[in-house]
Amino acid sequence: AIQMTQSPSSLSAYIGDTITITCRASQGIRNDLGWYQHKPGKAPKLLIFGASALQSGVPSRFSGSGSGTHFTLTITSLQPDDFATYYCLQDYSDPWTFGQGTKVDLK
Amino acid sequence: DVQLEESGGGLVRPGGSLRLSCAASGFTVTSVYMTWVRQSPGKGLECVSVIFPGGITSYSDSVKGRFTISRDTARNTLFLQMTALRADDTAVYHCARATVSYEGLDVWGPGTTVSVSS
Repeated sequence: AIQMTQSPSSLSAYIGDTITITCRASQGIRNDLGWYQHKPGKAPKLLIFGASALQSGVPSRFSGSGSGTHFTLTITSLQPDDFATYYCLQDYSDPWTFGQGTKVDLK
Repeated sequence: DVQLEESGGGLVRPGGSLRLSCAASGFTVTSVYMTWVRQSPGKGLECVSVIFPGGITSYSDSVKGRFTISRDTARNTLFLQMTALRADDTAVYHCARATVSYEGLDVWGPGTTVSVSS
């Protein structure tokens, strides 16, 4: 199975900050990667698909980039609603695999 | 309205079986990718199983040989048959879908809780 290594595992930030989360794949996955936001007790929410395409209804402060083995999720001007855990998911190869998650909390 | 709703979770003893259901509305389960994703206490998300529009199935190594994903056209429902359950299968299980053009898992159910304990 393809291993997705996500970093950092956690970070603390202020409202208004810009943060970047990284996902590295153990082998090339083209751009077959999505980013998801997850809050406790809720269903995960799709933010980005195809590595860089913004899901409908998601604020433009979220952006994704990368291809092959290196991917990033950037959140600019962090808002109170953005404090959550973020996961990458590769769907290039079975079984689909998530990164370990990045918990973003308020500094 | 496009929606998913899971059911069938509960408390089961180690070695036991359980079948989860995921009722879909607003689309047809056989025409999209359908997945089961779980989160165990204190852990991250894990994609347990996928069924592709053509019917091909895939499983994570942790459940292969024990879990079976299937779908029922008449009831427009996705299932996950779980056997030989272990304590580490304890989790909230979500179903989710992606359209045939695969633009991410865009619709999720709220989840159902499975607890495996003696």
